[in-house]
Amino acid sequence: KAGVTQTPRYLIKTRGQQVTLSCSPISGHRSVSWYQQTPGQGLQFLFEYFSETQRNKGNFPGRFSGRQFSNSRSEMNVSTLELGDSALYLCASSPATGFADTQYFGPGTRLTVL
Amino acid sequence: GQQVMQIPQYQHVQEGEDFTTYCNSSTTLSNIQWYKQRPGGHPVFLIQLVKSGEVKKQKRLTFQFGEAKKNSSLHITATQTTDVGTYFCAGPTAGANNLFFGTGTRLTVIP
Repeated sequence: KAGVTQTPRYLIKTRGQQVTLSCSPISGHRSVSWYQQTPGQGLQFLFEYFSETQRNKGNFPGRFSGRQFSNSRSEMNVSTLELGDSALYLCASSPATGFADTQYFGPGTRLTVL
Repeated sequence: GQQVMQIPQYQHVQEGEDFTTYCNSSTTLSNIQWYKQRPGGHPVFLIQLVKSGEVKKQKRLTFQFGEAKKNSSLHITATQTTDVGTYFCAGPTAGANNLFFGTGTRLTVIP
């Protein structure tokens, strides 16, 4: 099976702009989770979607949002970008919801905010 | 708030030496998962432990989940250069809707 794919791999934006990142899960996986990884804060959970519904959410402001489509592909949107949003954004797919199953990570999108 | 700490933050070992990283949560976890991230790569799932006191082995790797389900450890016997990377523990608290990652331990193996 093909792994989790994320596009784009690299992105440069300026403060105040918005950005949309895309994640295609492993075929058959219905859960997609998003994570932010920074040197200072480490790996932090953003949210999880399962069957087009947000099931779980981390402690991030409302500028971070997401959605999932009927084919399980997911997008994450960050509005009004801040310098601190520079990070590696990882998505992971899993067969089931609720963190009881293996999380398969994609290669990530490296976002730089100038 | 919920915190998951790992020690040590960094570890340098000679090839062939053993290595252990410890994971401590401020609250009880419903399960513990371990991931390895190579430099420039993404986290790769290693194992999941669910039961209190559970011990699992994968070749040279031994994983333990504490009796109180608040701590865990990963032990590597006779490290190899292929073991280089950062090891993360992660777990959801019971009934929580958030997956908490540990701070990670970066392992360097000197050949």
